[in-house]
Amino acid sequence: EAGVVQSPRYKIIEKKQPVAFWCNPISGHNTLYWYRQNLGQGPELLIRYENEEAVDDSQLPKDRFSAERLKGVDSTLKIQPAELGDSAVYLCASAPPGAPDTQYFGPGTRLTVL
Amino acid sequence: QKEVEQDPGPLSVPEGAIVSLNCTYSNSAFQYFMWYRQYSRKGPELLMYTYSSGNKEDGRFTAQVDKSSKYISLFIRDSQPSDSATYLCAPTTGANNLFFGTGTRLTVIP
Repeated sequence: EAGVVQSPRYKIIEKKQPVAFWCNPISGHNTLYWYRQNLGQGPELLIRYENEEAVDDSQLPKDRFSAERLKGVDSTLKIQPAELGDSAVYLCASAPPGAPDTQYFGPGTRLTVL
Repeated sequence: QKEVEQDPGPLSVPEGAIVSLNCTYSNSAFQYFMWYRQYSRKGPELLMYTYSSGNKEDGRFTAQVDKSSKYISLFIRDSQPSDSATYLCAPTTGANNLFFGTGTRLTVIP
């Protein structure tokens, strides 16, 4: 069974530039999460989707971050414009129906903003 | 005060040692207690979890929860170099909301 797929794995951009991350969850997993993990810290939730609906985006900085999950499968997280403090690893996770707390994580996208 | 406190380490032990990793938490509503393992430059992977207080064993790993003292532990017996990773505790109320600790970085020296 294929795991959670994320791309790109690494991204280096200059501040004020836009950037986008893509996630393909495990087949059949209806819940999808985006997390941000700063160096030496645990992951922090940015947004959670149930199918195509964003059910928890309270921690998403909406002035510069946006996300979408069209058709309830793949998802894209965007930052525009990026700031120096956005440098982090962006993790996508998915969970199967009935077991939302057993989350499966992708390898993450390591973003460096210069 | 953070919801979950975890000593970041780093922790270095010789191969074969028993390792104890710990977290404390403040939210009495936490019911499930997850442990994730994260290798360098990889995403976290679910190692095991327990429900409410008590112990759960899975091979060389034992998870322990004491809700009266709000204390979570993960024990690794006969530690191996392949156990070298960061271990993250992540309690949850069961409402789809994991609260991750900062993680403890473990190195097992051959």
